Amino acid sequence: DAGVTQSPTHLIKTRGQQVTLRCSPKSGHDTVSWYQQALGQGPQFIFQYYEEEERQRGNFPDRFSGHQFPNYSSELNVNALLLGDSALYLCASSLGQGRTYNEQFFGPGTRLTVL
Amino acid sequence: AQSVSQHNHHVILSEAASLELGCNYSYGGTVNLFWYVQYPGQHLQLLLKYFSGDPLVKGIKGFEAEFIKSKFSFNLRKPSVQWSDTAEYFCAVFPMDSSYKLIFGSGTRLLVRP
Repeated sequence: DAGVTQSPTHLIKTRGQQVTLRCSPKSGHDTVSWYQQALGQGPQFIFQYYEEEERQRGNFPDRFSGHQFPNYSSELNVNALLLGDSALYLCASSLGQGRTYNEQFFGPGTRLTVL
Repeated sequence: AQSVSQHNHHVILSEAASLELGCNYSYGGTVNLFWYVQYPGQHLQLLLKYFSGDPLVKGIKGFEAEFIKSKFSFNLRKPSVQWSDTAEYFCAVFPMDSSYKLIFGSGTRLLVRP
């Protein structure tokens, strides 16, 4: 059973460019959350997608957007990249029904470097 | 604002030493509490969790944590660490009544010397 997968593994972009990161959830999971982990910090919640809609958003600017597809996979898009966007981007999948906590399983992350 | 504080950013221990990592959170409502571990080159993975009931919870690999509600704390412990415990440890909180997100602390890097 495949766990959460993310692509690409590493990415190098320059300031002002746009980037798309991809995530496939663990089999059977319908919810995807995205986190940004800057160097030396813990993961920070960007947003969560459930039933193809953004269900909750963290404190990130509109340059960060996402999408969830009918097969539950998800994309994270970042426009007008800044140096400060350099980080490890983590995807986590879970079962999304209700407000009770369902364990989030994390992928290996995409390391984004902005030059 | 909801936040999680981990007091120790770097910890260095010798094998067989005891470990305690501190975690405090700021949120007045009901929470679920977690410790995650990230071994070098590996995914973030769940070490243990607290939802309700016995405030002393046991996780994988001999780790345990104690929830002290009055102190808003959830400290991680292990009686005797091994070299293979070298990793980064993150405390996280899930606010039950207001959110779908996990709120993480900044992490503690543990180095265990053989």
